[in-house]
Amino acid sequence: QAVLTQPPSVSGAPGQRVTISCTGSSSNIGAGYDVHWYQQIRGTAPQLLIYRNNNRPSGVPDRFSGSKSGTAASLAITGLQAEDEADYYCQSYDNSVTGSVIFGGGTKLTVL
Amino acid sequence: EVQLVESGGGLIQPGGSLRLSCAASGFSVSNNYMTWVRQSPGKGLEWVSVIYSGGNTYYADSVKGRFTVSRDNSKNTLSLQMYSLRAEDTAVYYCATDLKGGLDFWGQGTMVTVSS
Repeated sequence: QAVLTQPPSVSGAPGQRVTISCTGSSSNIGAGYDVHWYQQIRGTAPQLLIYRNNNRPSGVPDRFSGSKSGTAASLAITGLQAEDEADYYCQSYDNSVTGSVIFGGGTKLTVL
Repeated sequence: EVQLVESGGGLIQPGGSLRLSCAASGFSVSNNYMTWVRQSPGKGLEWVSVIYSGGNTYYADSVKGRFTVSRDNSKNTLSLQMYSLRAEDTAVYYCATDLKGGLDFWGQGTMVTVSS
């Protein structure tokens, strides 16, 4: 059972905006730890999409944005494209977990 | 260019041992945070182990006492020695590193199948 809670699936039509939530608690996101987001296209390794809550690595389109507030974070994707269809994972740290790295359960994004 | 290449996966019987390697290039494993993450078939990402630049190591409760992470600075390689393997250890194992924030570089993964 993942420590960070994500919706199992979200969907949207091309051009639309979707958001994916990542809900934690006072021992992880609420404790001030950074949240990172990863995109995993079927059959490939995860790739960093957003780091430290709201920063995009070089090469990631500005259609992707992240935010964090309280014990939750969210990933927003605007101008949805077919190539965005993938699994998305949030990741943070938890002061009650050995080694402290925690992942969300993942969200499958379907582009209709 | 930063690159991570895992190797060592395969089919192993329950109770067996296996050693995974992760060859790094473009940066030094000795100076950076290196981690192993696994993904069981059809499931999400699960953190397995980490080794910090200072040498401290940590493990997920599910593998503690059975897995050992180490690095060979001369070969710039990260390893994961796995003992007493169980069916639930079946997964793709990725090595990853945090150079600039988040796990910004990942290997392609190596598949471990524990089955009789």
